[in-house]
Amino acid sequence: AQSVTQLGSHVSVSEGALVLLRCNYSSSVPPYLFWYVQYPNQGLQLLLKYTTGATLVKGINGFEAEFKKSETSFHLTKPSAHMSDAAEYFCAAVTNAGKSTFGDGTTLTVKP
Amino acid sequence: GAGVSQSPSNKVTEKGKDVELRCDPISGHTALYWYRQSLGQGLEFLIYFQGNSAPDKSGLPSDRFSAERTGGSVSTLTIQRTQQEDSAVYLCASSSNLGQGDYEQYFGPGTRLTVT
Repeated sequence: AQSVTQLGSHVSVSEGALVLLRCNYSSSVPPYLFWYVQYPNQGLQLLLKYTTGATLVKGINGFEAEFKKSETSFHLTKPSAHMSDAAEYFCAAVTNAGKSTFGDGTTLTVKP
Repeated sequence: GAGVSQSPSNKVTEKGKDVELRCDPISGHTALYWYRQSLGQGLEFLIYFQGNSAPDKSGLPSDRFSAERTGGSVSTLTIQRTQQEDSAVYLCASSSNLGQGDYEQYFGPGTRLTVT
């Protein structure tokens, strides 16, 4: 069965610091991988996705993620946090058959 | 174009009553997902429809939960004999799922269900 693990339910960084949100998947076949963001009182929206090709993918708002098959990871990073990045972030994996699994989410707090 | 819509946005019901939640996906999207998001929790997969295939119901928590998708478009999630633990936000998402990695999901605003 496919599973997605997000290490750290809460991450706190200072404004301007590096953001690193961790995601590992468990699947015999590498799935398609996604990061979604949910800002307070808003719906989920796509940040970025990995399907095929380049393993380093760039998304909106300066975020990027790198697919590492050997580590079954898809960690999300941003070089410099902004106050507006405070939100909940979800990692998701989708199989070729379209079966979707989400991680439990990581709440990012940005301190001034 | 129009996104995914859900209705009602809020629903308060008494324990033991049945409720129906509606989802209108993006036109042309063949895949439709239902999730449940409880306070402070992640997204719990409930059910997945893909075209005319039999739905994947593996996430439905009990036989009180059911869903249908008519004409490959609108979907209704029904919860019978609601319990207080059913209180949550129910999210619907649709996706084109045409292969080639087109599995990005577009989410609706959700229905907040409160069982009193």
